[in-house]
Amino acid sequence: KAGVTQTPRYLIKTRGQQVTLSCSPISGHRSVSWYQQTPGQGLQFLFEYFSETQRNKGNFPGRFSGRQFSNSRSEMNVSTLELGDSALYLCASSLELRGFRPNEQFFGPGTRLTVL
Amino acid sequence: GQQLNQSPQSMFIQEGEDVSMNCTSSSIFNTWLWYKQDPGEGPVLLIALYKAGELTSNGRLTAQFGITRKDSFLNISASIPSDVGIYFCAGQRSGNTPLVFGKGTRLSVIA
Repeated sequence: KAGVTQTPRYLIKTRGQQVTLSCSPISGHRSVSWYQQTPGQGLQFLFEYFSETQRNKGNFPGRFSGRQFSNSRSEMNVSTLELGDSALYLCASSLELRGFRPNEQFFGPGTRLTVL
Repeated sequence: GQQLNQSPQSMFIQEGEDVSMNCTSSSIFNTWLWYKQDPGEGPVLLIALYKAGELTSNGRLTAQFGITRKDSFLNISASIPSDVGIYFCAGQRSGNTPLVFGKGTRLSVIA
C-alpha cells in the first residue's frame, strides 16, 4: 500500500507570493492533518480535515488555509508569504474507522518551503 | 501552542548501548505515540500507546505509557548505527483533538 505522498517536495518562493501544497493520504484514510516543522518551534499543528470539513485548527494566522476533497486528498495554501514561513510542511493521514485505533497518524515526506 | 517536555535534547552513545528518553506534560493524555525522523523525511510511527501503564515493544524498542498519564518513556536496546535520527513523542488528549509533539531527542550512535 502506498504511503502518504506530498507534492512538491521542494519549493522556493519570494515574500508576498502564495503557495499551494498537496497531500494524498494513504488509500482508505479519511483524516488529513497538516503540520509546520521548524528547528526552533518543532512540529506545530496547522489544521485537520475529515470528510471535507475542517475539524481542528491550530494557532496560525488566516494566511494559512486548507481544504479536503471528496477523495480525501488535501491541499494547504499560504498567501502573502513571509520569511518566517520557511519550513518543512508535513501532512499526516489516519484511518478514522470505527473499531480501529484512530489516533495513529502516518506522515508523508514533507514539502520543504523556502521563502526568499 | 503547547508542547511536551522531551528529554534529553540530544544523546551521543556507543553502538551496543541502551538508550532511554522520556516525555512529560502537565496535562493528562489518553494516547502517546513515538516517532522517528530521518533527515529529509517525515516522521515514522514506531509505537502507539493507549492505556495507562501499558508497555509495548517493537523489536529493540520498548515504550511505556506512564501511570499518571502525564508521561511516556522510550527505550532502545543494543543500539545500532541505523538508530541515528530524531525521536519525537506525541500526545493526544482525546479522540478528536490534535497531536501535541515534543521537540525531539537527537540520537547519535558512535560505532
